[in-house]
Amino acid sequence: GNSVTQMEGPVTLSEEAFLTINCTYTATGYPSLFWYVQYPGEGLQLLLKATKADDKGSNKGFEATYRKETTSFHLEKGSVQVSDSAVYFCALSINDYKLSFGAGTTVTVRA
Amino acid sequence: GAGVSQSPSNKVTEKGKDVELRCDPISGHTALYWYRQSLGQGLEFLIYFQGNSAPDKSGLPSDRFSAERTGGSVSTLTIQRTQQEDSAVYLCASSLALAGGLGEQFFGPGTRLTVL
Repeated sequence: GNSVTQMEGPVTLSEEAFLTINCTYTATGYPSLFWYVQYPGEGLQLLLKATKADDKGSNKGFEATYRKETTSFHLEKGSVQVSDSAVYFCALSINDYKLSFGAGTTVTVRA
Repeated sequence: GAGVSQSPSNKVTEKGKDVELRCDPISGHTALYWYRQSLGQGLEFLIYFQGNSAPDKSGLPSDRFSAERTGGSVSTLTIQRTQQEDSAVYLCASSLALAGGLGEQFFGPGTRLTVL
């Protein structure tokens, strides 16, 4: 089946620190890969995506590269801010409509 | 513009009662999805609608769960004879149907269901 494994949290960082959240996947076929973010009190929203191998998704200073050889889609940001505190979900989709999510990683950034 | 809305935002019910959860998608979005977010299972897909039809309802956990969509717009998720394991946040999302496939899924704020 299709599944996503992401690093467990919680992760606590200081402002301007480097953030990496690891995500690996198992899929039959060629999935599209996503990172969703859930800010406190808000709904899930798409952060970035990549639809084929070696694609890099980027948004709001976050980046992730679709690595087929390692079946990974790690999320990185070079300098986090307090406003980046949120829960981050890695997800994949094979058939264009059904998203399979990882367990989520809670990130807290301290001033 | 208005996003996906869900009601109620919170629902507390007693075991064995039926509940209805409502989703209003973004206007013009023909695709609609239900997911469930629970402590034990994480975020799980439940069902997908294209218009009023549900091509994939494979994620519905049991026959106590059903969903319908009318007028290509509002959707209702019904849980009959609720059990404590049904306690979760139920999320609805909607998206456009584009020439190349389905567009980004926009999520609502969710309905938190607590079964006592």
